[in-house]
Amino acid sequence: DAGITQSPRHKVTETGTPVTLRCHQTENHRYMYWYRQDPGHGLRLIHYSYGVKDTDKGEVSDGYSVSRSKTEDFLLTLESATSSQTSVYFCAISFGLIDVYTEAFFGQGTRLTVV
Amino acid sequence: QKEVEQDPGPLSVPEGAIVSLNCTYSNSAFQYFMWYRQYSRKGPELLMYTYSSGNKEDGRFTAQVDKSSKYISLFIRDSQPSDSATYLCAMSEGSDYKLSFGAGTTVTVRA
Repeated sequence: DAGITQSPRHKVTETGTPVTLRCHQTENHRYMYWYRQDPGHGLRLIHYSYGVKDTDKGEVSDGYSVSRSKTEDFLLTLESATSSQTSVYFCAISFGLIDVYTEAFFGQGTRLTVV
Repeated sequence: QKEVEQDPGPLSVPEGAIVSLNCTYSNSAFQYFMWYRQYSRKGPELLMYTYSSGNKEDGRFTAQVDKSSKYISLFIRDSQPSDSATYLCAMSEGSDYKLSFGAGTTVTVRA
């Protein structure tokens, strides 16, 4: 899976608790992305990073924060988990921008349930 | 209204049939168009990529983009049971991977 590891793979947490998901890559890719996938919505972009300490918001960033202190790690934090954040979270990486030689690789996903 | 609309199916076809999938979109700024395949409990993987309008063929797969109609299609010829998966269209305004996805169409190819 293109050297991407998401952890944990499954998590159940209680409403109101903070949760951190980790995306670790061994590819030295510059760009990293966090998406969430929900039935009927496909994948939606939460946050993305263009490099160390360079992050920005995506379409559904409310309630989420990210950090990237090293090239290989992109952390997604749910500051105070809510039931609406129950979802499958995917990390993606890409070496560069879109062209015929570059693609984004997705991790295996983290299944998060907020009870 | 969603930016990208995709019929979720499900779609069930016999082995060897042609599978036809499509998406419509409302954002005329989209320039990059992709199709991803996602097996159950796995991450999406890129199938086809097209820049702007036109057709692209790769083996049994053909992708078409009609920007004037804001409509993209994916055709799978000689479908196989191993093609059973969810197919997601995705598109981007700029050349980064800030993608807008369709909801995905679940396809089952019956042996």
